[in-house]
Amino acid sequence: DIMMTQSPLSVAVTPGESASISCRSSKSLLHSNGITYLSWYLQRPEKSPQLLIYQISNLASGVSDRFSGSGSGTDFTLKISKVETEDVGIYYCVQFLEVPRTFGGGTKLELK
Amino acid sequence: EVQLVESGGGLVQPGRSLKLSCVASGFTFSNYGMNWIRQAPGKGLEWVAYISSGSSYIYYAETVKGRFTISRDNAKNTLYLQMTSLRSEDTALYYCARNYYFDYWGQGVMVTVSS
Repeated sequence: DIMMTQSPLSVAVTPGESASISCRSSKSLLHSNGITYLSWYLQRPEKSPQLLIYQISNLASGVSDRFSGSGSGTDFTLKISKVETEDVGIYYCVQFLEVPRTFGGGTKLELK
Repeated sequence: EVQLVESGGGLVQPGRSLKLSCVASGFTFSNYGMNWIRQAPGKGLEWVAYISSGSSYIYYAETVKGRFTISRDNAKNTLYLQMTSLRSEDTALYYCARNYYFDYWGQGVMVTVSS
């Protein structure tokens, strides 16, 4: 199985500042078709997860452009600019290259 | 508006069975693969199973293979998860999610396995 490792475990951010979350996979997520199958999700407290970004950097419908994704191969980053109260929650990365789909352990974002 | 509504959860004894349903609306259900994903209390997310739009492709996590069966009825816009031989470690909030990359999620349904 592909292992997904996120860091940090938690991050505290002052509103208006930026935050970055890292995700590393145990093998490259680049498919032979040229697509890299890595997505990011946010689970707000007591809510279902929601898709933020797919295929490394594509913003999901309705998601604020304060969220951006980057990376390649095995190393990926989610950046949140100008953090707001509604950004609080747990962020997960997921790989879709292979079955079983595997999630990172999550990164908890809190406000200072 | 895409909506996914799970039901069928509850308290069940170890070794017993339970069947979850997920009713979809707001999109053409028969065009999309669907997933079940679970979250144990206070824990992270675990993918459980996937079924393709026409049920030709089905995949399971090793932790549920042989015990759980994913299926769908495209005429009823409904996804199912038949769970048998339930264990305490199956206790979780179960979500259905659309598409291979989980673009929409339901609100989840709780399954508690306990004597």
